[in-house]
Amino acid sequence: GEDVEQSLFLSVREGDSSVINCTYTDSSSTYLYWYKQEPGAGLQLLTYIFSNMDMKQDQRLTVLLNKKDKHLSLRIADTQTGDSAIYFCAERNTGGFKTIFGAGTRLFVKA
Amino acid sequence: NAGVTQTPKFQVLKTGQSMTLQCAQDMNHEYMSWYRQDPGMGLRLIHYSVGAGITDQGEVPNGYNVSRSTTEDFPLRLLSAAPSQTSVYFCASSPSGTGGSGANVLTFGAGSRLTVL
Repeated sequence: GEDVEQSLFLSVREGDSSVINCTYTDSSSTYLYWYKQEPGAGLQLLTYIFSNMDMKQDQRLTVLLNKKDKHLSLRIADTQTGDSAIYFCAERNTGGFKTIFGAGTRLFVKA
Repeated sequence: NAGVTQTPKFQVLKTGQSMTLQCAQDMNHEYMSWYRQDPGMGLRLIHYSVGAGITDQGEVPNGYNVSRSTTEDFPLRLLSAAPSQTSVYFCASSPSGTGGSGANVLTFGAGSRLTVL
């Protein structure tokens, strides 16, 4: 079945870049998403990428997709303390009714 | 525009009790779903609905019941609560159940934290 994997923790210094990695198993994944969860809150969409794209950039966020290796990454440039949160990778395929989430990567930003 | 509203935010139950977590959305979304979030396991899909009168099981449906009598509401029922159901529950909705031409991004509620003693 479909599976999404990501490391559980990442710690960076304020001002550095953060790179959060994700791998998925479903080769028919059409959309891949990054959601952010702040403490005590629900998830909010950060960005998504369609499977026919290799890269998407949105201000400080860069998403890279390697379809061959089924690898997705999220780069946050100039990481701030306000970026401390849990980041979830997720995937869904065309016609699929289910969005499958990874376990989430908790990002710690040290001042 | 309230988005997705979940109630209650917190609930403590004793083993064997039943309760209903409420979820309502005001965006006219066809698709609604319930996830549970447990440490180290991410979000797991419990049940989902692609429209009024249509529901289906997700990854972890046992012990939970749902119905979808209106487009707006998608309650989750715990029939006989067990300690293993201690978790944070999220309701999420999206414009439609299938891909169509859009990314069908999920909009989440703020969550309901349930403790079963």
